[in-house]
Amino acid sequence: EVQLVESGGGLVQPGGSLRLSCAASGFTFSSFWMYWVRQAPGKGLVWVSRIHGDGFTTHYADSVKGRFTISRDNAKNTLFLQMNSLRAEDTAVYYCIRDLHGDSVSWGQGTLVTVSS
Amino acid sequence: QYVLTQPPSVSAAPGQKVTISCSGSSSNIGNNYVFWYQHLPGTAPKLLIYKDNKRPSGIADRFSGSKSGTSATLGITGLQTGDEADYYCGTWDISLSAGVFGGGTKLTVL
Repeated sequence: EVQLVESGGGLVQPGGSLRLSCAASGFTFSSFWMYWVRQAPGKGLVWVSRIHGDGFTTHYADSVKGRFTISRDNAKNTLFLQMNSLRAEDTAVYYCIRDLHGDSVSWGQGTLVTVSS
Repeated sequence: QYVLTQPPSVSAAPGQKVTISCSGSSSNIGNNYVFWYQHLPGTAPKLLIYKDNKRPSGIADRFSGSKSGTSATLGITGLQTGDEADYYCGTWDISLSAGVFGGGTKLTVL
């Protein structure tokens, strides 16, 4: 059974940093693009970033480019999102997703990030 | 604000049909596959349609997807109260080199 379990969310002050993790199991992790998508309270889904299975190709939404870094450890079947220079508008539930644009989609349950002083 | 444009809300009676539109451009919908998600509060979004019109296994044939030019449409027939949810379209945008979603459409089954 495919499982994606996010962790690392919490309360952080504006300008602070946070690192999200997503532990994957039940599939060959290195074979899939992995994604982060977020949803702010009362708002819609927003695409954040993705990384190729080999870890070398990455893409970012303009709103996070230069502040967020996606990475993965295929040996540990774990996806990461390093978030720096956090802003109030980054407050959201962050979802880890396998193969968002394909047909082998699987979503984690999400982890809440709150940026507030 | 959102690259893809969806109506904020649609409504119809149980048993009726509804369509949800998703409008984009040649840099996204016009040249990439579209997917559709159903999202119920407190749960992970569920994939309804991928590659414009393909249904994953387990998704009822009441749900259908179509695309023409730079617009896509999700159709739902035989509406049920359990279909009340937010629906999102999404795709890849070549110009942005990033994925994009629509703003979401809230479906109310009256």
